[in-house]
Amino acid sequence: DAGVIQSPRHEVTEMGQEVTLRCKPISGHDYLFWYRQTMMRGLELLIYFNNNVPIDDSGMPEDRFSAKMPNASFSTLKIQPSEPRDSAVYFCASSSFREGPIYGYTFGSGTRLTVV
Amino acid sequence: SQQGEEDPQALSIQEGENATMNCSYKTSINNLQWYRQNSGRGLVHLILIRSNEREKHSGRLRVTLDTSKKSSSLLITASRAADTASYFCATDAYGSARQLTFGSGTQLTVLP
Repeated sequence: DAGVIQSPRHEVTEMGQEVTLRCKPISGHDYLFWYRQTMMRGLELLIYFNNNVPIDDSGMPEDRFSAKMPNASFSTLKIQPSEPRDSAVYFCASSSFREGPIYGYTFGSGTRLTVV
Repeated sequence: SQQGEEDPQALSIQEGENATMNCSYKTSINNLQWYRQNSGRGLVHLILIRSNEREKHSGRLRVTLDTSKKSSSLLITASRAADTASYFCATDAYGSARQLTFGSGTQLTVLP
């Protein structure tokens, strides 16, 4: 398994532009999480899905942020319009809780977003 | 919001020494996990300890959990330069339906 795949690895965009981050979870995992990491705030949970359904989006900072999971193998996080304070590393993680013990999350390598 | 707080924030040791990192949390938990993050990379799961367990081992890692004090420690024995990374504790809070809340992390530097 190639693990959780995120794209792009780096994104530099101008303020006001739309940004779309992509994630492919591990096949068979039924939970998908989007986190944001900054020096000031650490790792923050933005939203998570169970079986493609958003369960908790209370961490999404503003209406400018939206996330979708159209199928079990793909999710997007969109920021429109982007602002400089959105600059951060965005991580996608997936996990499975279907059977028996709970295991850890598998994280992607992240997307480093810079909004100028 | 961050559930866990790691202590110390930064730790520098010589290769071969043991490294101990501590984590405190606030609410009742189902389990506590430790992750490692190398610079510029994603987090890697190291070990999970359940709320009814007190100690767990995995290779050179030893984790303890004291639910009465709401604290955990991660011990890395015989450290290597490759152990240089940030280490985070994460809690799966009771009733939180699977979401993990991460602490602020400890930056460990192992000097060769």
